[in-house]
Formats: sequence, C-alpha cells, structure tokens
Amino acid sequence: DARVTQTPRHKVTEMGQEVTMRCQPILGHNTVFWYRQTMMQGLELLAYFRNRAPLDDSGMPKDRFSAEMPDATLATLKIQPSEPRDSAVYFCASGIIVQGAQYEQYFGPGTRLTVT
Amino acid sequence: DAKTTQPPSMDCAEGRAANLPCNHSTISGNEYVYWYRQIHSQGPQYIIHGLKNNETNEMASLIITEDRKSSTLILPHATLRDTAVYYCIPPKAGRRALTFGSGTRLQVQP
Repeated sequence: DARVTQTPRHKVTEMGQEVTMRCQPILGHNTVFWYRQTMMQGLELLAYFRNRAPLDDSGMPKDRFSAEMPDATLATLKIQPSEPRDSAVYFCASGIIVQGAQYEQYFGPGTRLTVT
Repeated sequence: DAKTTQPPSMDCAEGRAANLPCNHSTISGNEYVYWYRQIHSQGPQYIIHGLKNNETNEMASLIITEDRKSSTLILPHATLRDTAVYYCIPPKAGRRALTFGSGTRLQVQP
C-alpha cells in the first residue's frame, strides 16, 4: 500500500529557529506539492514540483520559506527563521498525470508545526 | 477559473445515501470536476473525478448534469467513518495544483 510519508509528524519550536520538514512521495509519482492548512486560511498551496523542478512557488513567502527536491525520493520544506504565524499543518502530496490536464493527488499525514 | 458553491454542512443517517451537491456553473467544456474529502486530523483523500459522464468507483458515485453546471457526489451507504469535509475542486486553468474551497462538512449520525 503505497503512501506519502512525512517527518516529523509534530514539531514545536521557538520563534527564530529553523524548521525542516521532509516528505517521501509515492515511488513513480513525478509531481510533489506542499500545502499548508490553518483554521483561518484553510488549505493553501505553497509550492509544487514536477520531475524535481519547481513549477510554482508563488504561494510561499520567499523571504523565509524554501522548498527543494534533492532527489526523487525526498522533498523538503524549510522555514528560516520561523515565526508564530507559521504555526499550521503542512501537507505534502504526490501525484501523476491521469488524464492529461489533471492529477489525482495523494496526501501525507501532515506535519503539525507550532512556533512559540 | 471555475468557481464552486457547496453547502457548508449536511447531516446524514448512517446506512443512508449521502448526496453532496456542488454548483460549478462557470466550468468550461474540458475541465474536470474532482472530489476530495478530509477526515479530521488526516490529509485530504482523493475520491473521484469526472468530465461529462457519470462515474462510479469503490468509494462513491459522481453524477454530473448534462449542462455540466453542477454535480452530486453520492456515498451510497454512509458510515460514521464518512464524517468529513468534502471538497468539490475547481480546476485552475494552466495549473496542476488543487485549490480547496470551504467544502461541505458531512456529519453522519448513528
């Protein structure tokens, strides 16, 4: 049963600290997405990659957030420095073209980040 | 971009069919309709998608009106585990990512 895995599942850190979240997409999927979910904003896209190349990171605060795919089995989302407003659940999803224009996406369990 | 309208909440009795509507009157001819759900404290889960014809899989059925302005997701025999927020996803032209709206919070009652 192929699944997207994310680590850590929970992270509590102090303001100003660096946070790195990791995602292992489903083997064979060529697209990876990072989403953030808060009560106020709901689910919002931060960035996505296709074949490890960033295609869209317009939803991501560039001054403190960075997303990379060092290889096909690992995607990372880094926040430096972290701020209390970054507290949220961060989801990674992977996908593959199904019928041309759209994707089915498979989400990981999320990383719950709390910045104090 | 196609915009969608979903009721904020619905209740359904366990064992009965749950019919979740979505209005997407601005959808264009080649845009699919995708449905996802999110159970509390879990990541969103893909359910089904369709273009023109009705679709069915092991999770649900999707009925799309002939004019494609609306669709209905049907869970034929709802269980307590189907309690979740259900999202009808409008495709965003030229983008691969999903845009989640507010969805419908379905509460299945015992």
